[in-house]
Amino acid sequence: AQKVTQAQTEISVVEKEDVTLDCVYETRDTTYYLFWYKQPPSGELVFLIRRNSFDEQNEISGRYSWNFQKSTSSFNFTITASQVVDSAVYFCALSDLGNYGQNFVFGPGTRLSVLP
Amino acid sequence: ETGVTQTPRHLVMGMTNKKSLKCEQHLGHNAMYWYKQSAKKPLELMFVYSLEERVENNSVPSRFSPECPNSSHLFLHLHTLQPEGAALYLCASSQERSSGGSYEQYFGPGTRLTVT
Repeated sequence: AQKVTQAQTEISVVEKEDVTLDCVYETRDTTYYLFWYKQPPSGELVFLIRRNSFDEQNEISGRYSWNFQKSTSSFNFTITASQVVDSAVYFCALSDLGNYGQNFVFGPGTRLSVLP
Repeated sequence: ETGVTQTPRHLVMGMTNKKSLKCEQHLGHNAMYWYKQSAKKPLELMFVYSLEERVENNSVPSRFSPECPNSSHLFLHLHTLQPEGAALYLCASSQERSSGGSYEQYFGPGTRLTVT
């Protein structure tokens, strides 16, 4: 069965610091997707990125970057020059080829606090 | 309306009441989900509908009853809830792939339920 682990429960940084959120996944499929979501205090989960298992290129979007490494089954998320508005819970998720409804799993989340 | 909408945003119910949560997706997706998020707990997948058929029911008590009349609408009927039913209830939708697996889920803003 698939599994997503986010070992960091809570992280606190001071504004302008860089921070990396870890995500390790398990799946028996060779085709799968990985995702990151942000949940600000308002509660709505916001989709950030999707990554295909066949595309190991790292991606950068503004202050956000993602490092996908199949060799270590990791899909880490780095925020550069963090800002207070980055404070949120961040979830990593995995979708593989399991049966409908059984193929999407979220990690437990990492709560990021960015202090001014 | 765009994306995924949920009503009401806040709900207070007594333990003997019956209430319903509504979710509507405007994305043309073929799968919809109910999640429960209690304070400082991981996301709990409750129900999944794919092509309007329930495909997942994670041992949810019968006082939670889902209904999916069509691919755009999803309801969660609640009755005789206990205090531990208080949580943020999140609805999501996604496009299931014919080859298996799912693209990213898009979430509604959630209904915050208080049980008195």
